[in-house]
Amino acid sequence: DTGVSQDPRHKITKRGQNVTFRCDPISEHNRLYWYRQTLGQGPEFLTYFQNEAQLEKSRLLSDRFSAERPKGSFSTLEIQRTEQGDSAMYLCASSLDRGREKLFFGSGTQLSVL
Amino acid sequence: SQQGEEDPQALSIQEGENATMNCSYKTSINNLQWYRQNSGRGLVHLILIRSNEREKHSGRLRVTLDTSKKSSSLLITASRAADTASYFCATTPLNDYKLSFGAGTTVTVRA
Repeated sequence: DTGVSQDPRHKITKRGQNVTFRCDPISEHNRLYWYRQTLGQGPEFLTYFQNEAQLEKSRLLSDRFSAERPKGSFSTLEIQRTEQGDSAMYLCASSLDRGREKLFFGSGTQLSVL
Repeated sequence: SQQGEEDPQALSIQEGENATMNCSYKTSINNLQWYRQNSGRGLVHLILIRSNEREKHSGRLRVTLDTSKKSSSLLITASRAADTASYFCATTPLNDYKLSFGAGTTVTVRA
């Protein structure tokens, strides 16, 4: 399977715990995006990378959130001191570095904070 | 904030009927895309229409774009049960690279 893969698919955690999600994009894709989606809503942009450089972060991304993409390959999204409001689907997507082209999404990580 | 708004929020049709959903957006765009999402899964790209195009077809899908009205429509012809999903429009504003999504239209196709 050469699509975008995300791990884990589901994560249940207690409030205050830290969680980390991983995304493996399509290998030749330079751009990698993180989105968050809550029930009944469309995905909301969190951040994106071009290769290893994090080029933009949304205001939604509080200080508790950090994302990395070492060596321009896989990416991790960490949430520290989780809150119930962090419960959502976290989606990763990748695209070729042509700008404004279609995104290929992973299946997402569903986070539930108890 | 979300750039696009889909209408209606939900749509229920009989298999074989056509489904039409609309998207309105706020700012000038480079292109507009439609995505489908099955429950609990990631999004799948359906079709991309550029700002200088007015209509595009892909299989049973027909997309129109009216930049003067800042709106787009997605038509699914001869719907099937497998078309049951949420459909999202997404836009790339000028001078930007990231996609902004609307809240989506949930389509249910009854057998």
